[in-house]
Amino acid sequence: QKEVEQDPGPLSVPEGAIVSLNCTYSNSAFQYFMWYRQYSRKGPELLMYTYSSGNKEDGRFTAQVDKSSKYISLFIRDSQPSDSATYLCASSSGNTPLVFGKGTRLSVIA
Amino acid sequence: EADIYQTPRYLVIGTGKKITLECSQTMGHDKMYWYQQDPGMELHLIHYSYGVNSTEKGDLSSESTVSRIRTEHFPLTLESARPSHTSQYLCASEGQLGSQYFGPGTRLLVL
Repeated sequence: QKEVEQDPGPLSVPEGAIVSLNCTYSNSAFQYFMWYRQYSRKGPELLMYTYSSGNKEDGRFTAQVDKSSKYISLFIRDSQPSDSATYLCASSSGNTPLVFGKGTRLSVIA
Repeated sequence: EADIYQTPRYLVIGTGKKITLECSQTMGHDKMYWYQQDPGMELHLIHYSYGVNSTEKGDLSSESTVSRIRTEHFPLTLESARPSHTSQYLCASEGQLGSQYFGPGTRLLVL
């Protein structure tokens, strides 16, 4: 079992929809949580990062971590065609390299 | 935002050739990483470094080698390229809170 599990999708939604992307993790030592966005044939770009449990909001994006259930979520409000990409969750204890999920491919249809 | 550069961006080369993929960053980050990623597939960590003269193998067995002589530079070398090495290679450096910043990648095709 991978330390970070993520449904690969693909996920297809209409423009304007609220998107929910989710990951689970198994390592209790993880305390840093990140979301990356990767467009086709590009390197991943850091979208959001959070430390420990709670919510963090940045524009249309909200990252949520629930350490009690080891659940990581990314919400995208008012989704746009430009949000079409692969989204990767990642976690770390701080002492070892980031562990990435496999990524969820999202398509936002105009 | 981190500045991290990779060259070449694209490389087509014949079997048996030696190649070096370059990666450099200007942020002074100690930790750097190399990943291999096939199209539409997950990232695989192949090498990492926690500082000058420090290198470690990652989760995915790789026939490549790395060196870290300077903080800003983390090149990856394939002594004898094979078609099975065809992939995208991504370099990253680590900033605050364990967050990694990626370069644009090198797409390698071995004929």
